[in-house]
Amino acid sequence: NAGVMQNPRHLVRRRGQEARLRCSPMKGHSHVYWYRQLPEEGLKFMVYLQKENIIDESGMPKERFSAEFPKEGPSILRIQQVVRGDSAAYFCASSLSGTGSHEQYFGPGTRLTVT
Amino acid sequence: AQSVTQLDSQVPVFEEAPVELRCNYSSSVSVYLFWYVQYPNQGLQLLLKYLSGSTLVKGINGFEAEFNKSQTSFHLRKPSVHISDTAEYFCAVTKANSGGYQKVTFGIGTKLQVIP
Repeated sequence: NAGVMQNPRHLVRRRGQEARLRCSPMKGHSHVYWYRQLPEEGLKFMVYLQKENIIDESGMPKERFSAEFPKEGPSILRIQQVVRGDSAAYFCASSLSGTGSHEQYFGPGTRLTVT
Repeated sequence: AQSVTQLDSQVPVFEEAPVELRCNYSSSVSVYLFWYVQYPNQGLQLLLKYLSGSTLVKGINGFEAEFNKSQTSFHLRKPSVHISDTAEYFCAVTKANSGGYQKVTFGIGTKLQVIP
């Protein structure tokens, strides 16, 4: 009965490289959310996806960031040409539905450090 | 759109003392409310949620929260804290009864530090 899995747990990238963060939702969940957490800034919503569809990407930066949730396999958050300001903890969550009445289950996060 | 305000960024409290973490929300419609806890280097874990019914909600680890519609608050309480309660606590809100997708909005968090 595995929970939400994220990998890697820690990722170090040099400026200009690409970062790929993976998230496997809980079994039976087809709704995935990505959040970014910066110190003293709380949890910021980035994107909400269902299988093969991006439903809400209102929190995603317009450039360099993309997300997908293919029919098979984990959800991927991709950051191209990383900059120091991308250093943060990135959390994935999943839920049974997107209506809000079902709580979100969070993964342990990926801590990205850009050097 | 809804919003959440957590009034205290840090709350120090002695072990076995009571604690209240404050949360106020803003919304023009009915809401669902949540409290999550985040232990160091971990993801968030649900403590409790209010969807409807009794305004006093009991959660895990001895925590409870009271929904106060007139004051638009959902404060979290515990009568006697333990060292292991040291963590960051997040209040969250979303629109209720929508039947469709609703974004969950999180507060900026309150760090609870339990002092031995």
